[in-house]
Amino acid sequence: GENVEQHPSTLSVQEGDSAVIKCTYSDSASNYFPWYKQELGKRPQLIIDIRSNVGEKKDQRIAVTLNKTAKHFSLHITETQPEDSAVYFCAASGGSYIPTFGRGTSLIVHP
Amino acid sequence: GAGVSQSPSNKVTEKGKDVELRCDPISGHTALYWYRQSLGQGLEFLIYFQGNSAPDKSGLPSDRFSAERTGGSVSTLTIQRTQQEDSAVYLCASSFGRGETQYFGPGTRLLVL
Repeated sequence: GENVEQHPSTLSVQEGDSAVIKCTYSDSASNYFPWYKQELGKRPQLIIDIRSNVGEKKDQRIAVTLNKTAKHFSLHITETQPEDSAVYFCAASGGSYIPTFGRGTSLIVHP
Repeated sequence: GAGVSQSPSNKVTEKGKDVELRCDPISGHTALYWYRQSLGQGLEFLIYFQGNSAPDKSGLPSDRFSAERTGGSVSTLTIQRTQQEDSAVYLCASSFGRGETQYFGPGTRLLVL
């Protein structure tokens, strides 16, 4: 089955800096890669996703890149703000339509 | 429109009792997923329903866990003879179809004493 590794487990940045979270996956059949943000005590919410026919996608301060050859994808947050502080999860899914999630990255943005 | 809802939001039970957790997906969504999230951990897949197809139960941790989905809408996750290690947040998610964006419910926080 699919295996998703996510790094780092914690990330501390100063407000205004950029943050990058990386995930690798094992199943070359995976073709959908969503990213979720989960604030403390809240439900995970989709912030951006990418499909395997695209190498990069951007939405304001958030971007995701995908390297299918290397089987890794990354979340980039620019100009971080304190409200970006949360746990971020990557996921990969393919033929089974059941996403495999990474273990999460706790992002702390210091004002 | 209404999002995914779950009930109860919190459940405290004694070891050995059975519990039922409910999920109301977004109307029209054919896919429904159950996950378990332990404190500070990722999302552990439990079971997946897609339309009228047989559910994928490959993530259920033991035969104490079961789930059903009636009429292609509401789903109930049942845990029999609860154990302390069952304590976690149980999240439900639905999507319009296979491989589409998942929308999560607020979760049920289960505590087994």
